[in-house]
Amino acid sequence: SQQGEEDPQALSIQEGENATMNCSYKTSINNLQWYRQNSGRGLVHLILIRSNEREKHSGRLRVTLDTSKKSSSLLITASRAADTASYFCATAPRNAGNNRKLIWGLGTSLAVNP
Amino acid sequence: NAGVTQTPKFQVLKTGQSMTLQCAQDMNHEYMSWYRQDPGMGLRLIHYSVGAGITDQGEVPNGYNVSRSTTEDFPLRLLSAAPSQTSVYFCASSYSFGFPGELFFGEGSRLTVL
Repeated sequence: SQQGEEDPQALSIQEGENATMNCSYKTSINNLQWYRQNSGRGLVHLILIRSNEREKHSGRLRVTLDTSKKSSSLLITASRAADTASYFCATAPRNAGNNRKLIWGLGTSLAVNP
Repeated sequence: NAGVTQTPKFQVLKTGQSMTLQCAQDMNHEYMSWYRQDPGMGLRLIHYSVGAGITDQGEVPNGYNVSRSTTEDFPLRLLSAAPSQTSVYFCASSYSFGFPGELFFGEGSRLTVL
């Protein structure tokens, strides 16, 4: 079963607005990662946040992590049409040993309208 | 830097045929993996490798074989294709040791089994 669950499943906003998507997970993690996937393309890594971090920024992206609530959020500020894509969270379980398996959510589909 | 290269991009097979999806990376990554992506199912790990000569199963390994004779290459073999193997396949690699770090994805191979 998928540990990461993103919500909303789909989000439609106007260019210039902020977009927020959330990810919840079930077990203790070492890190949580966000990826973007444009239609018909491979996934691209956006941000990795470790379990001892609470917030991380990269350009127009801001990720927060609340380990007490087992949740993370991805904020995209001043969105652009080029941000239209699916966004996935993936968690690295703390007790996974050395198998390095990530647990993936089903993604949030973001549409930014010009 | 080519990153992760997958071939072919598209393939149509008949039930029972076999084929190999190729994956190569030029980043000297120890970790390589194969995922399949299906609508509503998210990304599911098929097989992975933590170094040359070492492979292990993921969530959905049945019907697939892998080998890792070099650091650069990680081919995925479909032994006897079935319609249930119609999917988009992604190869991904990572340089991180221990807990999973940033994954670098190929552009995907879209397989249809008739």
